[in-house]
Amino acid sequence: EDKVVQSPLSLVVHEGDTVTLNCSYEVTNFRSLLWYKQEKKAPTFLFMLTSSGIEKKSGRLSSILDKKELFSILNITATQTGDSAVYLCAAQVLNAGGTSYGKLTFGQGTILTVHP
Amino acid sequence: EAGVAQSPRYKIIEKRQSVAFWCNPISGHATLYWYQQILGQGPKLLIQFQNNGVVDDSQLPKDRFSAERLKGVDSTLKIQPAKLEDSAVYLCASSPRTGGAGELFFGEGSRLTVL
Repeated sequence: EDKVVQSPLSLVVHEGDTVTLNCSYEVTNFRSLLWYKQEKKAPTFLFMLTSSGIEKKSGRLSSILDKKELFSILNITATQTGDSAVYLCAAQVLNAGGTSYGKLTFGQGTILTVHP
Repeated sequence: EAGVAQSPRYKIIEKRQSVAFWCNPISGHATLYWYQQILGQGPKLLIQFQNNGVVDDSQLPKDRFSAERLKGVDSTLKIQPAKLEDSAVYLCASSPRTGGAGELFFGEGSRLTVL
């Protein structure tokens, strides 16, 4: 059974701190790793990673994938209260026929709380 | 571009009643997904459509849940009869891709409370 595990489950920091969120996966026919941010509504897309060792950056957020060790990290520098949310990672897999229809298997999420 | 539309946003029912949720994906998106998100957990895939065909419904509790996407556009998810453990947010997502990696676009979700 496909499995995605995130750690820590929750994290409380103060504004300005740097945080690292972890995501490990064990899935069949891995295609890509996606990160989403979820506030009290729909998950919003952050990053998609398909290649090992290539960092993706967007402002204060960055992420990298290690396909050998089957994990990804999401870094947030100089955190702000607006970063408070649940961060979800998901593994995208190919279907049994070898073509990808984009199915995502999600981890349980990391709850990040940033205090002023 | 309009996003994924879902309705109703909130629904409260008693156990053993039935409920239906509607989703209209982003125009032109071939793939549509229904996810169930129980409080404190990540979303879990219930069913995946490619146009109007089912690609994956392996985790759909078929004794009580059903879903259709008759014309390959909007979709309906039904629960009958509902159980207490069905209390969750039901997220609809769509993707333009028929193959290859790509992000999913999510709707705001339909929150179901079963009493």
